[in-house]
Amino acid sequence: DIVMTQSPDSLAVSLGERATMNCKSSQNVLYSSNNKNYLAWYQQKPGQPPKLLIHWASTRESGVPDRFAGSGSGTDFTLTISSLQAEDVAVYYCQQYYSNPITFGQGTRLDIK
Amino acid sequence: DVQLVESGGGSVQPGGSLRVSCETSGFTFSNSWMNWVRQAPGKGLEWVASINKDGGERHYVDSLKDRFIISRDNVKNSLYLQMTSLRVEDTALYYCARSYGGDSAFRAFELSGQGTEVIVSS
Repeated sequence: DIVMTQSPDSLAVSLGERATMNCKSSQNVLYSSNNKNYLAWYQQKPGQPPKLLIHWASTRESGVPDRFAGSGSGTDFTLTISSLQAEDVAVYYCQQYYSNPITFGQGTRLDIK
Repeated sequence: DVQLVESGGGSVQPGGSLRVSCETSGFTFSNSWMNWVRQAPGKGLEWVASINKDGGERHYVDSLKDRFIISRDNVKNSLYLQMTSLRVEDTALYYCARSYGGDSAFRAFELSGQGTEVIVSS
C-alpha cells in the first residue's frame, strides 16, 4: 500500500500570509505513460464533506480560488495558499489514486494565527 | 453538478448488518466509477470500495473485503454498501464519491453529500 504522510499536522498562519503544507508518498505516484501525478488535495471544513481542490497534483478544480496551488512530482507534493483568508480554515488531505488501495494522508489542520 | 445523497445509516449492535445507499443525480451514473469513503469520528478519510460502471469490477480495502459488498443499480441511479459482521471500529460517517470524470477507478473523488452515520455499539 502507498502510505501518504502529511506535514505538519497543524499549522497556524496570519490572515493574508502564505500557508504551505506538504505531502509525501511512500512510492512514486507519477505514471510515466502520461506524465501525470495521481495526487489530489481536499479541503474539509467542520460538518462538511471533503471538497476536491486540486487533482493531477496541480490542476485546480473549477471554482477553486487561484490562491490555492499544488506543486510537486513523484513522491513529494506541496499545497500552497498564497494569501490566507478566514474561510480557508479547514483540514486539508492529500490522496493518491495511483493504485489500489487508494489512500489519504492523515490531514493538516490549518488555523488562523 | 454532481449530487450525492447518502442514507440508511443508524445504530447497530456488533455483529449486525446494515445497508447504506447513495442516490445520485447531475451526471450519467451508468457511465461512472463510484466509491465509498468513510471517516471515523474525529479521524481522517479512508477509502472503502469502488465499483465500475456495470458492477462487473469491484475493489475493496483489504481489511473490509470479507465483510462489505459494494453494488449499484443503474436504473435507480443508486449506489449501495452492504455491511455485515459490523464491529465497533466500523463506526463512521460513510460518504459516496464519484471518480472524477467517471471513466476510471484511478481518479480523484467528487463528494457532495453529507454522508450517512453508522454507529456500532452494544
